[in-house]
Amino acid sequence: KNQVEQSPQSLIILEGKNCTLQCNYTVSPFSNLRWYKQDTGRGPVSLTIMTFSENTKSNGRYTATLDADTKQSSLHITASQLSDSASYICVVSANQAGTALIFGKGTTLSVSS
Amino acid sequence: DARVTQTPRDKVTEMGQEVTMRCQPILGHNTVFWYRQTMMQGLELLAYFRNRAPLDDSGMPKDRFSAEMPDATLATLKIQPSEPRDSAVYFCASGLALGQGSAYNEQFFGPGTRLTVL
Repeated sequence: KNQVEQSPQSLIILEGKNCTLQCNYTVSPFSNLRWYKQDTGRGPVSLTIMTFSENTKSNGRYTATLDADTKQSSLHITASQLSDSASYICVVSANQAGTALIFGKGTTLSVSS
Repeated sequence: DARVTQTPRDKVTEMGQEVTMRCQPILGHNTVFWYRQTMMQGLELLAYFRNRAPLDDSGMPKDRFSAEMPDATLATLKIQPSEPRDSAVYFCASGLALGQGSAYNEQFFGPGTRLTVL
């Protein structure tokens, strides 16, 4: 069964600290893996998209890694800011069109001052 | 600043009533997706349109849900009759599918319609 599992479910960190969110998947076939940031009351916004051949991709203070062999991905946030408080959703696509998306339940990150 | 717009942002209705949600995709995008998000299930894909044609609506309860694209600037999701279990946030997303050779297709989400069915 295609599944995407994220951990931890929630996380609280102090402003300025780093953190890493985890995503494990059992999706076949595999086309790409996406990380989204969703602020409360808003739609998800794409942070990174990685295909099978990419093992790291950065977007500012966000760095995603992908290990297609172990079917694991991580999202590392450097020097966290209050605005990083959000839900982070890992999504695996089983086709290029993006119509076979398997969503994780998300990790809720709270950054406090 | 191009973005996906959705109306209404909030809708409270009574069980049995018809609900229509509207989405205006980003101009020039040729794919439209409808999603539903709940605390229990997270995000789920309901329907997918490409060049206004419905290509996949397998995630949608067909007895009460219907999705259409009357023109390239408007997508609608209708629930008739609505039930309390339909309470969720409904998102529309649009993207530009560049054909089979594309590595992936980015999707841009709207702000969502929060539906409450009493």
